[in-house]
Order: sequence, then structure tokens, then C-alpha cells
Amino acid sequence: AQKVTQAQTEISVVEKEDVTLDCVYETRDTTYYLFWYKQPPSGELVFLIRRNSFDEQNEISGRYSWNFQKSTSSFNFTITASQVVDSAVYFCALSEAPYYGQNFVFGPGTRLSVLP
Amino acid sequence: ETGVTQSPTHLIKTRGQQVTLRCSSQSGHNTVSWYQQALGQGPQFIFQYYREEENGRGNFPPRFSGLQFPNYSSELNVNALELDDSALYLCASSLALIRDDEQFFGPGTRLTVL
Repeated sequence: AQKVTQAQTEISVVEKEDVTLDCVYETRDTTYYLFWYKQPPSGELVFLIRRNSFDEQNEISGRYSWNFQKSTSSFNFTITASQVVDSAVYFCALSEAPYYGQNFVFGPGTRLSVLP
Repeated sequence: ETGVTQSPTHLIKTRGQQVTLRCSSQSGHNTVSWYQQALGQGPQFIFQYYREEENGRGNFPPRFSGLQFPNYSSELNVNALELDDSALYLCASSLALIRDDEQFFGPGTRLTVL
């Protein structure tokens, strides 16, 4: 069975600091997808990135970057020069199935607080 | 393009009652999934509907049931409410049963069971 671990329950940083959110996953499949979602206080989950298991290239999108390492089963998320608007709960998720559904598993989330 | 909407926003029920939550999918989407998010936890998959048929179910008892309508809107019904059913219920819609398509989440319904 698949599992997603986010060991950091809560992180607090001061604005403009860089912060890395850790994600470790477990799966027996060789084909899978990894995701990051942001959940602001409003409650709606906002998609940030999807990465398949065959693409280990790191990705950068503005202040966001992701480091995927199959050797350590990790998919870490870094926010550079954090801003107050980045304050939210961030979820890492894993999907083994060929479609969204029962094999779509979320981690417990990391609450990020960015202080002015 | 209309996003995913859910109603009501908040709901308070008492133990033993029944509740119906509603979800309107994003325009053009034919697949909807429902998730339960307890306080301080990640969302957990309840079930998914594709073209009005249930297509996969998580580890939830039969008192959690659902429907998807021809216009692809959906309902989540919970019978015999228990205190542990208190949670944020999220629905997510996607275009088809393929992973390459994105699923979009609604804002959720917060259910409190007293």
C-alpha cells in the first residue's frame, strides 16, 4: 500500500526566508504520480505541481521549486523568498492508479506560517 | 469557465441524523471524487463517480453513499451521523479517468456533528 509522510507538522519563517517542505513516499509501483497542493485558510485545495515517476528533473516555477529523488523516495518543495501569502497548509500526494481515485493518497500536511 | 462549487458551506447536524452535501463539477468534467478531511489531517478518498456510476471506493462504511446526475453534479449522503463524521468534505472534478488530466477541488463543506 502507498503512503506519504510529511514529517514537518508546522514551520514558521520570517518573510523573505527560503523554506523547504519535505515529502517522503512509499509505493511498490514503478509508475506513479506525485503532487503538491496548497490549502489556504479558505479550505480549497490548489494544485501546484504533478510529476510522474519517470521524470526526475527538478522543476522551477517562479519562487517555487521541486526536487524529486527516486533514490530516497522524496519529493521536496522549496519556496524561495517566502511571502506572507504563502502561509497555508501544504499537502504532498501520491497516485498509483491510472486515474484519480482510491489510490490517490495525501500526506498529513505541513502548516507553513510566514511572518512579516 | 465555472469552477467547482459546493453547498452548503457549513452545516451543523446532530448524531443520528442524515445529511446531503452537493457538488457542481467544473464545466465539461464528467468525473467527481469526494474526500473527507478531518481537522489537522490530509484528505481521505471516499468514492468516485464517472458518468453516473461509482468507480472506486475508499475505506468508508456503506452509510456514506453518493450520486452523480446526468449534468455531472453530485451528492454525498451520510446516514446515521456520528461525531467522527465532523470534517471538511471536499469534492473534486476532472475530465476523464486519466491521470494526465487535472482534478479541481471545490471549497468544501464543513460538517459539524454534535
